[in-house]
Amino acid sequence: GQQLNQSPQSMFIQEGEDVSMNCTSSSIFNTWLWYKQDPGEGPVLLIALYKAGELTSNGRLTAQFGITRKDSFLNISASIPSDVGIYFCAGRRGLGYNNNDMRFGAGTRLTVKP
Amino acid sequence: GAVVSQHPSWVICKSGTSVKIECRSLDFQATTMFWYRQFPKQSLMLMATSNEGSKATYEQGVEKDKFLINHASLTLSTLTVTSAHPEDSSFYICSASGRSSTDTQYFGPGTRLTVL
Repeated sequence: GQQLNQSPQSMFIQEGEDVSMNCTSSSIFNTWLWYKQDPGEGPVLLIALYKAGELTSNGRLTAQFGITRKDSFLNISASIPSDVGIYFCAGRRGLGYNNNDMRFGAGTRLTVKP
Repeated sequence: GAVVSQHPSWVICKSGTSVKIECRSLDFQATTMFWYRQFPKQSLMLMATSNEGSKATYEQGVEKDKFLINHASLTLSTLTVTSAHPEDSSFYICSASGRSSTDTQYFGPGTRLTVL
């Protein structure tokens, strides 16, 4: 399947700092998604992006769908301890409802020091 | 948002036994359900995609006779790990999506399988 390169692999930051992570691919995707996973839980959708160039915010989170459709970034502003977790990007190629497979990045493990 | 449940949340079994994991979409009809496997500190690996009423499509390298998937209704899919071995121990996560072309996947909470 298509490879998604997610970076950085891990981040150790101080509470209140901003965070940025990104995903790149050699293939075009029609949808980019960002998920957060807490230990022992399933991923929870944070932001979904459907259009090249789209910039979407969800509270302190902002994500953008790259204009080339081969990349996306996620920013977290003013981090707090509960932001700790693993963040995954995911790219989806399909357009129809029956063509919905996604590929995931390797994840960014975020640690926030109080 | 859409809610997906999984049962059981964890299971311990003896080598050679079979284990069934259920995935349910609680408040929407899931046209498609997906099964993933996740090893510690790694990303999610897609095992198979199942559409309601039809056979599952397995990813390369995933044994369909080992991991039996049944998507009997628009709200339920099951994964049965047959003749489990210790190397099958893992975190299994399902996800579900609906009919719209913009529908994304909503994930269940996962099932931790430990095979002794």
